[in-house]
Amino acid sequence: DAGVTQSPTHLIKTRGQQVTLRCSPKSGHDTVSWYQQALGQGPQFIFQYYEEEERQRGNFPDRFSGHQFPNYSSELNVNALLLGDSALYLCASSYLAGGPSTQYFGPGTRLTVL
Amino acid sequence: DAKTTQPPSMDCAEGRAANLPCNHSTISGNEYVYWYRQIHSQGPQYIIHGLKNNETNEMASLIITEDRKSSTLILPHATLRDTAVYYCIVRVAIAGGYQKVTFGTGTKLQVIP
Repeated sequence: DAGVTQSPTHLIKTRGQQVTLRCSPKSGHDTVSWYQQALGQGPQFIFQYYEEEERQRGNFPDRFSGHQFPNYSSELNVNALLLGDSALYLCASSYLAGGPSTQYFGPGTRLTVL
Repeated sequence: DAKTTQPPSMDCAEGRAANLPCNHSTISGNEYVYWYRQIHSQGPQYIIHGLKNNETNEMASLIITEDRKSSTLILPHATLRDTAVYYCIVRVAIAGGYQKVTFGTGTKLQVIP
């Protein structure tokens, strides 16, 4: 049973560029959340997707956008990259149900902005 | 979201029990306590969760106080591979998982040989 997968594992960009990160949820999951984790900090919630719509959003600017596809996979797009966007980007998936929806995390994508 | 407070760091001798505390004094009645851990630069790993009863699985035990204002994660026999940052979070279990999750800075557990 494949867990949450993310690609690429590492990425280097320059200021002003745009980046797209990808996530495939755990088998059977239909909800994807994205987090940003700066060095030495806990993960910060960016947004969550369910049924191809953004359902919740954290305190991130509109430069951060996303998409969810019919197969539940998801993309995170960041425009006009800033040095401060350098971080580990984590994807987590969960299953829509009436009980606790435990989130399972992928290995992350390390983004470096120069 | 209810906030959690954890000590920034702890040490534990290998083979001994590691007891990691978490304070969540503003927790609501429908919020669960979740524990994750993160080994350096990897994605957080789910450990255990609970509402008000104590829980145990193959990885750990979770003890929640009767008033639910605090909890303790117990790793019964810590190994060097348990060295990680441990996060305690609280979140509402609702259909669709629409609630955003807030992580703190966690507890860095160092298991010492």
